[in-house]
Amino acid sequence: QSVLIQPPSASGTPGQRVTISCSGIPSNLEFDYVYWYRQLPGLAPELVIFRDDQRPSGVPDRLSGSKSGTSASLAITGLRSEDEAHYYCAVWDDRMNGVLFGGGTKVTV
Amino acid sequence: QVQLVESGGGVVQPGRSLRLSCTASGFKFKSYAFHWVRQTPGKGLDWVAALSYDGVNKYYADSVKGRFTISRDNSKTTVYLQMDSLRTDDTAVYYCARDKNFGMLILPDYWGQGTLVTVSS
Repeated sequence: QSVLIQPPSASGTPGQRVTISCSGIPSNLEFDYVYWYRQLPGLAPELVIFRDDQRPSGVPDRLSGSKSGTSASLAITGLRSEDEAHYYCAVWDDRMNGVLFGGGTKVTV
Repeated sequence: QVQLVESGGGVVQPGRSLRLSCTASGFKFKSYAFHWVRQTPGKGLDWVAALSYDGVNKYYADSVKGRFTISRDNSKTTVYLQMDSLRTDDTAVYYCARDKNFGMLILPDYWGQGTLVTVSS
């Protein structure tokens, strides 16, 4: 399975804004929404953005998602120490009938 | 609240089999699709398999096709991953995850805590 492309790392100081990119999203997918997952050290992944820019309940509005063409982005504003985690983008590829994950981005505060 | 609890992991020799279970609670089990996703320690997420809410549609990553089988038992609110002909590169933490979309199979929202499978002689 092919992998979406993410930078391996991103960093910022408390209060800053960090943006994570996700490129290589296949075009013409039947369901072309991007989901983002956060994985804290030692824990299971958790959904933080679905359908490109929607936040599940409980996810602060400091996290926001966007998508344009074959790329998507996750932005974290007002960076906090608890934002230190790995972040993964994902899409459902209906051509291959499988989930494509990005390689993951480690955010350091 | 939604809960997913995996079990069945352990140490197994190459070529042998193992069956993972994922017991769910807190939602209408029979209306949701499920995924298995694995993660080699220190590496990224690797999608393994998915199963539609009605058990009809099953999808597999190329790396496990023909060796792994996903199934479900609605009466037990449990999803299974039968893993045969295991290889050393199947070593990973295996997560069960529920699809976010009621009645559809797209992408997960809730994840279990994972179960470690180690394939080694």
